[in-house]
Amino acid sequence: DGGITQSPKYLFRKEGQNVTLSCEQNLNHDAMYWYRQDPGQGLRLIYYSQIVNDFQKGDIAEGYSVSREKKESFPLTVTSAQKNPTAFYLCASRLTLAGNTEAFFGQGTRLTVV
Amino acid sequence: GEDVEQSLFLSVREGDSSVINCTYTDSSSTYLYWYKQEPGAGLQLLTYIFSNMDMKQDQRLTVLLNKKDKHLSLRIADTQTGDSAIYFCAESNPLTGGFKTIFGAGTRLFVKA
Repeated sequence: DGGITQSPKYLFRKEGQNVTLSCEQNLNHDAMYWYRQDPGQGLRLIYYSQIVNDFQKGDIAEGYSVSREKKESFPLTVTSAQKNPTAFYLCASRLTLAGNTEAFFGQGTRLTVV
Repeated sequence: GEDVEQSLFLSVREGDSSVINCTYTDSSSTYLYWYKQEPGAGLQLLTYIFSNMDMKQDQRLTVLLNKKDKHLSLRIADTQTGDSAIYFCAESNPLTGGFKTIFGAGTRLFVKA
């Protein structure tokens, strides 16, 4: 089955640690995105990538890093520089960057700092 | 900058119609979307409408667009308990970089049996 998979579903991090969230898609989509979701707020774009080995900052990139070494994978690292990392993180992919193609979302990773 | 606004909560009885409203600020928006999010899950695209359309209907879902007032609504007919979820309105403009889909905060729909 084609789809987009995020792992893990739940992640706990101690303060000062870096953690990496996985996002894999087998839809052959070019564009991939990371969003952060906080209660009562819309999705905020962290990073996006339109092609392998290329990625761009979104609206709230500080404290995060990404890589796009393979078309199907777009991992997100939450670094210790991110002061308020507890949130629900959503990965999405789209065939192209154009807005008229459907974005497919993963099931999300809930990150909690303990 | 661009903004999308929605009311945060809506409560309806099972069998009634639900109407979720959304306003947006970018008059150049070309695609407007409705996504559904069930608890602990990702977003699922329900429907989208192109800005030169006034209405789109898909089974129990009706989308109405008032481009002059920048107002978008989603009507769910015969609302069921399984429709309980958060509904996100979103807009994008491929001409200015379709990657930047702007999402509203989401409307939480409660369906009472």
